Amino acid sequence: EIVLTQSPGTLSLSPGERATLSCRASQSVSSNYLAWYQQRPGQAPRLLIYGASSRATGIPDRFSGSGSGTDFTLTISRLEPGDFAVYYCQQYGSSPPVTFGQGTKVEIK
Amino acid sequence: QVQLVQSGADVKKPGASVKVSCKASGYSFTGYGISWVRQAPGQGLEWMGWISTYNGNTKYEQKLQGRVTMTTDTSTTTAYMEMRSLRSDDTAVYYCARDHNGGADFDYWGQGTLVTVSS
Repeated sequence: EIVLTQSPGTLSLSPGERATLSCRASQSVSSNYLAWYQQRPGQAPRLLIYGASSRATGIPDRFSGSGSGTDFTLTISRLEPGDFAVYYCQQYGSSPPVTFGQGTKVEIK
Repeated sequence: QVQLVQSGADVKKPGASVKVSCKASGYSFTGYGISWVRQAPGQGLEWMGWISTYNGNTKYEQKLQGRVTMTTDTSTTTAYMEMRSLRSDDTAVYYCARDHNGGADFDYWGQGTLVTVSS
């Protein structure tokens, strides 16, 4: 099973700032099958990025994903109020099982 | 528009069973698999398993094998997740989620169903 470790656990930033979130895998993620989700309080997760770097339908271009192998990054170029949420990475190249990281909370500083 | 609408919250006693439904609409039901993901209070996301809506094939998280069964009813475009021998640590919000373009990433999610296991 591939274990995903996200860092930092919490990121305290102000609106307009850049957020950089990391996701490290315990072994190489097959075909870069790595996704990122945003979860706001009380809501279901929302797909942001799939295939490590492709934006899902309707996702603004201030969200970008990069990386390959075992190291992946989600960047939010300019934080807006609705971006303060918890973000999860997920690998789906070696399934079952699909695995998720433990999450990074982006909070308002 | 694509929608996944789940059944309402439920409270069960330890040892009981629960069955959660996920009604799909707005797309070709048998064209996309369905996974179930749960989230304990204040915790992260845990994948539970997947079902092919085309032929009913399933894959389950190993630690849940034997306690969980996923099924579909194509006539009503509804997916079901049943869990047996419930324990207090099964208390969670349970989500159904649709496969995205044949992969096991998920582009549409149900609203979630809170299952509380308490004596």
